[in-house]
Amino acid sequence: DAKTTQPPSMDCAEGRAANLPCNHSTISGNEYVYWYRQIHSQGPQYIIHGLKNNETNEMASLIITEDRKSSTLILPHATLRDTAVYYCIVRVAGGNAGNMLTFGGGTRLMVKP
Amino acid sequence: GAVVSQHPSRVICKSGTSVKIECRSLDFQATTMFWYRQFPKKSLMLMATSNEGSKATYEQGVEKDKFLINHASLTLSTLTVTSAHPEDSSFYICSARDLRGEQYFGPGTRLTVT
Repeated sequence: DAKTTQPPSMDCAEGRAANLPCNHSTISGNEYVYWYRQIHSQGPQYIIHGLKNNETNEMASLIITEDRKSSTLILPHATLRDTAVYYCIVRVAGGNAGNMLTFGGGTRLMVKP
Repeated sequence: GAVVSQHPSRVICKSGTSVKIECRSLDFQATTMFWYRQFPKKSLMLMATSNEGSKATYEQGVEKDKFLINHASLTLSTLTVTSAHPEDSSFYICSARDLRGEQYFGPGTRLTVT
């Protein structure tokens, strides 16, 4: 069963902010929200993750709603190299068996000049 | 950050032959590694979970005798596609989990079976 829902595709103008939404209405209290991206013909690349507070790193910001049922990944100034498929995944953190990353369809972000 | 390598990056083989793909965690120990398969324009599908020193756990519909997995050390897992056929052509991606539970992905191996 899919645990997250993302739009299949989005366009963004180069230099503008890209806001990628994700719904995870059945998220459990101990599940984190992870974001990965996959550039064509490469392995997935970790972007960011969070539990309930908003997070920011050098790549992106993650905004999680107060009820934790949805989140938004923000790329503040998208470049052509940000064109990729972005995956939102919920999972329990830690080294327990069974909490592997399971990928849904993701959002194909196309950054246009 | 943690680095995971795969070798080879791409391989072409003839139908009926076997191909081995290596996955290495370069700067951390991975008691658990995962193997994924990805068809064009599709998402990653988990094939199996590989635990160091024990038998791999395969996902439903994945033939264990066709996709042999060996996780002989804390830094190396191998996937052997036996008697490959054109329908096995795909992008194979491994992932290694560190002691904190974080997963890191390799760059992938593109297999083409002619």
